[in-house]
Amino acid sequence: GAVVSQHPSRVICKSGTSVKIECRSLDFQATTMFWYRQFPKKSLMLMATSNEGSKATYEQGVEKDKFLINHASLTLSTLTVTSAHPEDSSFYICSARVGYTDTQYFGPGTRLTVL
Amino acid sequence: AQSVTQLGSHVSVSEGALVLLRCNYSSSVPPYLFWYVQYPNQGLQLLLKYTTGATLVKGINGFEAEFKKSETSFHLTKPSAHMSDAAEYFCAVSTLLHGGSQGNLIFGKGTKLSVKP
Repeated sequence: GAVVSQHPSRVICKSGTSVKIECRSLDFQATTMFWYRQFPKKSLMLMATSNEGSKATYEQGVEKDKFLINHASLTLSTLTVTSAHPEDSSFYICSARVGYTDTQYFGPGTRLTVL
Repeated sequence: AQSVTQLGSHVSVSEGALVLLRCNYSSSVPPYLFWYVQYPNQGLQLLLKYTTGATLVKGINGFEAEFKKSETSFHLTKPSAHMSDAAEYFCAVSTLLHGGSQGNLIFGKGTKLSVKP
């Protein structure tokens, strides 16, 4: 149980284009989903927290107009990187939890490369 | 504010040897503590967690960790390393917020475990 999937696992795009990453909780309904960014050989940096049906809460320094998060249902959240640039290249990981006190379960990550 | 310090960015052990990965935390309120493992190009998998109760926590794959409040530590151990244990390990802390919800996870910088044959 508690499986979280991400799609795509890898994506390569040209600079200036937009990329959408999906995060799904497969066997549970997620009250809250989180988006992290991981730089090479670095820890995870929380980008934003989203609750179903509400606007996402972004961490300080994360551009909300560049990283659009939608949490339209209890099993799906999407992260759209708009007008991507090479510096946006990174490993993006989502996580989900059932209740407000539950453990976070992580997706397998999406490797984004912007050329 | 909470923080996590993982001592040693890289730990190397021989197969069959004891694994000890160190984690110290800082928190002004009772912490929730976690260990996650990450294999190359994959997401994080929960190894074990401490919330309340017994301070020695057993997790998957033979790992365990002990919460020591006096030392503000939550070190991860495994009696006998296996080649498949080679991965990146992250310690994380969160707390229970007013209103009963769990706060965000704060991660350490990770420790890469190598296992030599």
